[in-house]
Amino acid sequence: DAKTTQPPSMDCAEGRAANLPCNHSTISGNEYVYWYRQIHSQGPQYIIHGLKNNETNEMASLIITEDRKSSTLILPHATLRDTAVYYCTGNDYKLSFGAGTTVTVRA
Amino acid sequence: DTEVTQTPKHLVMGMTNKKSLKCEQHMGHRAMYWYKQKAKKPPELMFVYSYEKLSINESVPSRFSPECPNSSLLNLHLHALQPEDSALYLCASRASGLDSYNEQFFGPGTRLTVL
Repeated sequence: DAKTTQPPSMDCAEGRAANLPCNHSTISGNEYVYWYRQIHSQGPQYIIHGLKNNETNEMASLIITEDRKSSTLILPHATLRDTAVYYCTGNDYKLSFGAGTTVTVRA
Repeated sequence: DTEVTQTPKHLVMGMTNKKSLKCEQHMGHRAMYWYKQKAKKPPELMFVYSYEKLSINESVPSRFSPECPNSSLLNLHLHALQPEDSALYLCASRASGLDSYNEQFFGPGTRLTVL
């Protein structure tokens, strides 16, 4: 299982982009990087995943460095509803959540 | 139907009680999971079923007993729990078995309190 490291918290202004970093230096060559978020008292919600290339969907963009040791989740226009704990994880069938980043979007 | 449902939403039980948590999905997913989440901590994996067979048990105490009666249903039977077992219990499902790359869909969880 890849060990992931994320900053414990970050603030973001509403309407601005939020860039969430994650270090996963122990990730193996065939492990995908997954991002989930958990809004207070709800179950985690899948956001995006990727292997080598950058990925984009309706929720976010994922930038993975060429050496795959780190990635950045980008929420392009943060809203108050994006306030949540964001987890990156380096496994696929067996999610090993790290401590995550608590993101607070402020008006 | 693209959701995972869990019942009950809240459960309070004594240490001598026997209770069960239920999880259901009708997305045709073939892998189902139980996680335990303590307050202000990340979810911790407990069990994984793949194609209705128990594939992963993360050294969970025997007072927790999972069951997968069919591909849509997952139960967690609880017996002789301790107060420290109080937590949010999350169920998740995944389209394919353990050899592919699909995201997990989580239910809302059952908030368990052991007195």
